[in-house]
This record gives sequence, C-alpha cells and structure tokens, in this order.
Amino acid sequence: QQPVQSPQAVILREGEDAVINCSSSKALYSVHWYRQKHGEAPVFLMILLKGGEQKGHDKISASFNEKKQQSSLYLTASQLSYSGTYFCGTEDAGGTSYGKLTFGQGTILTVHP
Amino acid sequence: SQTIHQWPATLVQPVGSPLSLECTVEGTSNPNLYWYRQAAGRGLQLLFYSVGIGQISSEVPQNLSASRPQDRQFILSSKKLLLSDSGFYLCAWRELRFLGLGEKLFFGSGTQLSVL
Repeated sequence: QQPVQSPQAVILREGEDAVINCSSSKALYSVHWYRQKHGEAPVFLMILLKGGEQKGHDKISASFNEKKQQSSLYLTASQLSYSGTYFCGTEDAGGTSYGKLTFGQGTILTVHP
Repeated sequence: SQTIHQWPATLVQPVGSPLSLECTVEGTSNPNLYWYRQAAGRGLQLLFYSVGIGQISSEVPQNLSASRPQDRQFILSSKKLLLSDSGFYLCAWRELRFLGLGEKLFFGSGTQLSVL
C-alpha cells in the first residue's frame, strides 16, 4: 500500500516556506525524498532512517517519526529551482522488502517570482 | 563511479507491437534492479524487481515481463502493447546492506513510451 502525501499541490512565492507530509500505514525502516522535474528522472534529496532523525542540507530538511510512520519535508526560503513534483518513497521494516521503495502519489510544488 | 544507462529516451509504438527496453548498470556488482512506470501526472508504480540473474518478481499483473540475463542488465518486454502501457518507464538500481535494506535508489534517465 502506497504512502499518502499531503498536500497534493502547493503554490508559493519566492522566499516562502512549505511543508510536505508523507504518511504510511506500515512500520517503516526508512523514508526517501525525491524531486522530479517534468520529463526527467527523480533526483534524490535525502534518506531518513529508523531512529527519528532529522536531516537536511541547505534550506531543505526532513524529519521522520517512526512511531507515527510519518515524515515531513521542509523547504525554507523557497527558490524558483525548487519547483517540481516531490515524492516520498518508503521502505518497510522487517528486512524482507528486497530494497523496494513504494512511492506516494507526489506533491506538485510551484514557486513563482 | 556507478552509472545507469537506459534507452531509448523516447519511443512511439502502435498498439499490438512488441516492446523491448534495456537498462544497464556500470560500476557495481550484484545490484538490486527495478522497473518503475509513471503514467502522465501520476506517481511511480513499481512493476518488477530483481535480486539476481534470472530472478524476477512482479509487483502488479500486467501485459509486461522483465528479464535479467546478466548481472547488470535488466530488460522490460511486451509481446503486444496496449494503449494503457503508455507512460514514462524508469529503471533503477540499489546496493543493499545487511537485512536487505540499503542505500538510495539511483534512477536511469527514463523512456517515454507512447502507444498509439
């Protein structure tokens, strides 16, 4: 069963902040975040592992609450280059997932000047 | 360094024609390989994955099949394409650590398939 992302779409002005959420009904080992531009392959942003850590680089960070099976991606002081579709990919706990990632339906982020 | 090659970039095929998409990985050995499909404006759906040569697992029933004839080669095929097979096909690979859990997923550049 795929994770659920919210919101489905976000429209921002440059410099504004956004939060994208990802929720799963299964126990998770990790959550991955990717950004995809139209017609291109998804680009890796970060992995969050079981343990509730928060990671980030530059103005994009994320958190993972393993008890709630939820992750959030935080984009601060958005730039035009942040526009695209954001996907979370989840990896089930238990060691039998064979490395499979199940992706959410995506969140379309549009940043205007 | 590891690279993944996927071709062709675009493909237009008539309904009922066969399909063969190829993906090769360089710079690693015994990777887990995956085929994903993305319908227009939709999310990424896992179609097949492989943990080794000749080992293929299907995630959804469909008109497609996959094969892994060599360690770093993954092929997606169909004998007769349907309109519903149109989409953006992505090959991906991943190195695994213990317990089958691992690193990030690396995607190929994708193939945009249009079935007319």
